[in-house]
Amino acid sequence: LAKTTQPISMDSYEGQEVNITCSHNNIATNDYITWYQQFPSQGPRFIIQGYKTKVTNEVASLFIPADRKSSTLSLPRVSLSDTAVYYCLVGDAHTGGFKTIFGAGTRLFVKA
Amino acid sequence: ETGVTQSPTHLIKTRGQQVTLRCSSQSGHNTVSWYQQALGQGPQFIFQYYREEENGRGNFPPRFSGLQFPNYSSELNVNALELDDSALYLCASSLAGTSSNTEAFFGQGTRLTVV
Repeated sequence: LAKTTQPISMDSYEGQEVNITCSHNNIATNDYITWYQQFPSQGPRFIIQGYKTKVTNEVASLFIPADRKSSTLSLPRVSLSDTAVYYCLVGDAHTGGFKTIFGAGTRLFVKA
Repeated sequence: ETGVTQSPTHLIKTRGQQVTLRCSSQSGHNTVSWYQQALGQGPQFIFQYYREEENGRGNFPPRFSGLQFPNYSSELNVNALELDDSALYLCASSLAGTSSNTEAFFGQGTRLTVV
């Protein structure tokens, strides 16, 4: 299972765009990249998933370069409620279920 | 709301006791994964069940065991509880193998305190 490396913490201000980069140098061919958000004492919540290039949904964008050894989660115009821990995970989405292995995550602090 | 429910929400046990935590997966999901999350750390993968069979295990001792039932709900059993077992236990359900969108839906967790 591919190991991921993310910054431990990041600070931002309301209204700014936040980009969190994750390194996953030994990502396998079948692995997808998934990002989760977690608030204190709650279960992680799915944000976005992708395999290559760019994926966008109503809350975030995910940029994946051609070599797939890293990915960047982009949160547009963050608000105070986006203060949370963000986890980057890689895993095989097809063989017997998506085994989700979490790293330490990135603690995002959004200030007023 | 993810449709994944865990019970109980909070639990206090004494060292050496046994505990059973329960998880009801989202309708239609066939895979359940269990995680242990200590305060200030990321969730640690315990094991996963796919169609009632264990399908992968993290670095946890055999006193951590599980079951998945025909309706895909699941139990996590921990024997001989230790103080370090105090943590938030998370259950996640997903649908394996049929599409690229295999996001896992997490429950709110069970907060276990061992005293």
